Amino acid sequence: SYVLTQPPSVSVAPGKTARIPCGGKNIGSKSVHWYQQKPGQAPVLVISYDSDRPSGIPERLSGSNSGNTATLTISRVEAGDEADYYCQVWDNDSDLVVFGGGTKLTV
Amino acid sequence: EVQLVESGGGLIQPGGSLRLSCAASGITVRTTYMIWVRQAPGKGLEWVSVIYSGGTIYYTDSVKGRFIMSRDSAKNTLFLQMDSLRAEDTAVYYCASGSGLVFDYWGQGALVTVSS
Repeated sequence: SYVLTQPPSVSVAPGKTARIPCGGKNIGSKSVHWYQQKPGQAPVLVISYDSDRPSGIPERLSGSNSGNTATLTISRVEAGDEADYYCQVWDNDSDLVVFGGGTKLTV
Repeated sequence: EVQLVESGGGLIQPGGSLRLSCAASGITVRTTYMIWVRQAPGKGLEWVSVIYSGGTIYYTDSVKGRFIMSRDSAKNTLFLQMDSLRAEDTAVYYCASGSGLVFDYWGQGALVTVSS
């Protein structure tokens, strides 16, 4: 089955840029979606189809996807960005949804 | 405005059954991709079952034969019937919806605790 690999944690200073990777075999050929989850809250879609921002998501959040790694980039990080971030794809070989294990962003 | 409201969670003994509901407004469950995702305490997101707009349903291996996902078009509601519950099924269960296999609307979650 298809596996998405994320680092358990990423730390960044306020105002700096955070990059959260999501690794998978030839993930560049798939559409990657990113969710943000703050403590005690439901996940929120922040990036869809590799790099599209849903309405209301700040431009500071962006996504890219190439080769074996997709990346969520958060520029000018703020305290309010502290959350868990999950990547997700649809694996066409198995016809199944796949989530990464999640990355805790600490600011 | 899209709203998904889960209900039916609670404390249940091992081996017991629960039925979760996800009442939808602003979308039509019959034609939408919908998913149940759970999160065990302190753990990440795990998809449990998903129904594609055409009606195909998939289950993660750990719940196959025990959980059944269904939808009621008249009530515009998604269900998850959970039987033979185990301690490892303890989690917050979220329903979510999307126009494709990206889930842009999520419910608030329903806590299921399996314990004696």
